[in-house]
Amino acid sequence: KQEVTQIPAALSVPEGENLVLNCSFTDSAIYNLQWFRQDPGKGLTSLLLIQSSQREQTSGRLNASLDKSSGRSTLYIAASQPGDSATYLCAPSQGGSEKLVFGKGTKLTVNP
Amino acid sequence: DARVTQTPRHKVTEMGQEVTMRCQPILGHNTVFWYRQTMMQGLELLAYFRNRAPLDDSGMPKDRFSAEMPDATLATLKIQPSEPRDSAVYFCASGLTVQPQHFGDGTRLSIL
Repeated sequence: KQEVTQIPAALSVPEGENLVLNCSFTDSAIYNLQWFRQDPGKGLTSLLLIQSSQREQTSGRLNASLDKSSGRSTLYIAASQPGDSATYLCAPSQGGSEKLVFGKGTKLTVNP
Repeated sequence: DARVTQTPRHKVTEMGQEVTMRCQPILGHNTVFWYRQTMMQGLELLAYFRNRAPLDDSGMPKDRFSAEMPDATLATLKIQPSEPRDSAVYFCASGLTVQPQHFGDGTRLSIL
């Protein structure tokens, strides 16, 4: 059974910092991995999807990497802004299926 | 901008009552997921459908929960009878194979 750990659980940084969010998972036989953000009282917004054959994906100031063999993914946020404040969730698939298994998230606060 | 629509947004009811939550997936998406989010357990997959057929409902308590897709524009999740431990936020998500999942804003359910 896939288990997902996200470190740190919470992070507070000043505006403009570059930061890294970490995700580890126990079953490396994944179909894909997604990073989401969740704002309070809202649903999840997909940020990046990395297929199992890919090493990284980039979208604007976000870059996600995937190392399947070690069961790790990182989300890099460049030049953080207050609008980036949210909870970030990592979700690798379970085995070869599309079923996502979610970590508990990293709550990010970017201070002006 | 296409969105997943969930109704109701909030529901408060008494223990033992039937609860029905509805989801309108994004037009053209062939896969629909139901998730539950609680503080203790985080996000858990309850069930999902492909082309309206149930693929996996192993995350769902079978004795009181049921999920259906009467047509391609409507997915329902029912709880009967409801219990206080069912209190959570229920999310619906839709997608296409190998594409990111798009989430609705959720139904916040409170069972008294």
